[in-house]
Amino acid sequence: DIQMTQSPSSLSAFVGDRVTITCRASQSISSSLNWYQQKPGKAPKLLIYAASSLQRGVPSRFSGSGSGTDFTLTISSLQPEDFATYYCQQSYSRPPITFGQGTRLEI
Amino acid sequence: QVQLVQSGAEVKKPGASVKVSCKASGYTFTNYYMHWVRQAPGQGLEWMGIINPSGGSTTYAQKFQGRVTMTRDTSTSTVYMELSSLRSEDTAVYYCARESSMTTIITFFDYWGQGTLVTVSS
Repeated sequence: DIQMTQSPSSLSAFVGDRVTITCRASQSISSSLNWYQQKPGKAPKLLIYAASSLQRGVPSRFSGSGSGTDFTLTISSLQPEDFATYYCQQSYSRPPITFGQGTRLEI
Repeated sequence: QVQLVQSGAEVKKPGASVKVSCKASGYTFTNYYMHWVRQAPGQGLEWMGIINPSGGSTTYAQKFQGRVTMTRDTSTSTVYMELSSLRSEDTAVYYCARESSMTTIITFFDYWGQGTLVTVSS
């Protein structure tokens, strides 16, 4: 199984900050890496797919990069609605599909 | 518009089974794989398995082999996830999630159900 490790597990930031979350795969997954945002009591929402493609309707302050084993999600200028938990997910090798453990972004 | 609507919350005793439904609308049901993902309270996302609504074939995560059964009803565009021999550790929100494509290498979960809370308690 491919293990996905996110860092940090939690992060405190302010509105307007630039924030970067990292996801590392235990083996190469090419660009088969997706990012989701989850708010309390809600289903996850797709932000970025294929490592760097912005899902329709997602604000351009979100961006993704990386390939192989190392990936990043960047929020260029934090907005109040961005405080949530973020998960990476690999779709390169399955089963199983695996997620990172999550990064909680808080004020 | 695409919608995945799940059945309501359940409370079960240890050892019992639960069956959660996910009704799809707004797209051709048999053209997209459906997955089940669960989330224990305060924990991360855990993939449980996938069903092909077209032929009904399934693949389950090893952890759930022997305890989970995923089925579908094409007449109602509904997929089901049944989990048996429930224990307290199965208390979680269970989500269905549509996979973006059956034909491309790069895929993702583009639509999710609202989640179904299953509580296992004596």
